[in-house]
Amino acid sequence: NAGVTQTPKFQVLKTGQSMTLQCAQDMNHEYMSWYRQDPGMGLRLIHYSVGAGITDQGEVPNGYNVSRSTTEDFPLRLLSAAPSQTSVYFCASSARRDNQPQHFGDGTRLSIL
Amino acid sequence: DQQVKQNSPSLSVQEGRISILNCDYTNSMFDYFLWYKKYPAEGPTFLISISSIKDKNEDGRFTVFLNKSAKHLSLHIVPSQPGDSAVYFCAARVEDRSDSGGGADGLTFGKGTHLIIQP
Repeated sequence: NAGVTQTPKFQVLKTGQSMTLQCAQDMNHEYMSWYRQDPGMGLRLIHYSVGAGITDQGEVPNGYNVSRSTTEDFPLRLLSAAPSQTSVYFCASSARRDNQPQHFGDGTRLSIL
Repeated sequence: DQQVKQNSPSLSVQEGRISILNCDYTNSMFDYFLWYKKYPAEGPTFLISISSIKDKNEDGRFTVFLNKSAKHLSLHIVPSQPGDSAVYFCAARVEDRSDSGGGADGLTFGKGTHLIIQP
């Protein structure tokens, strides 16, 4: 089972560059989310989606865009990378039934120089 | 304002003994609580959860206790094993009761507790 797959695993960008972090899940989960984890911090929600065509902002959405054109994919776009976006990014998915846990990918470690 | 708090950044426990990890929350709308375990360079792995209609949930060596009046939950690991050494995150969510899909606004995490099991 692939579960939640994130690519790339590592990326270094220069300030001002743009890029897309990919996330795909093969569990037919309706819910998908993006989190970032910074040193000494828990995971913070960036954006989430409850189904194809529906997205919404989380706690820290500024500087990021998302779209959900299919159930399987939920890419995260950095429009103009800033050093403050250096972080580890995790994608998660869960089924749309009561009390279903979120399943996480292994993360993308992103450094902005 | 941190809505989910794990006040112990680290905890060291001897192998075979009980590990108790604590978590406090402030948002009374939280109805569903989860514990995740995380190894370095991996994503968080779901461990155990509890709904607010229960005060205890058990799964093998892992038990989660919920005290709603105190807004406190704890994770007990008995007996602790070397493979339990990891960072443990407490997370909370407002339960999604809407068939339209609204309200599923993701998880709110604590900062984590690094559990070290000493041989």
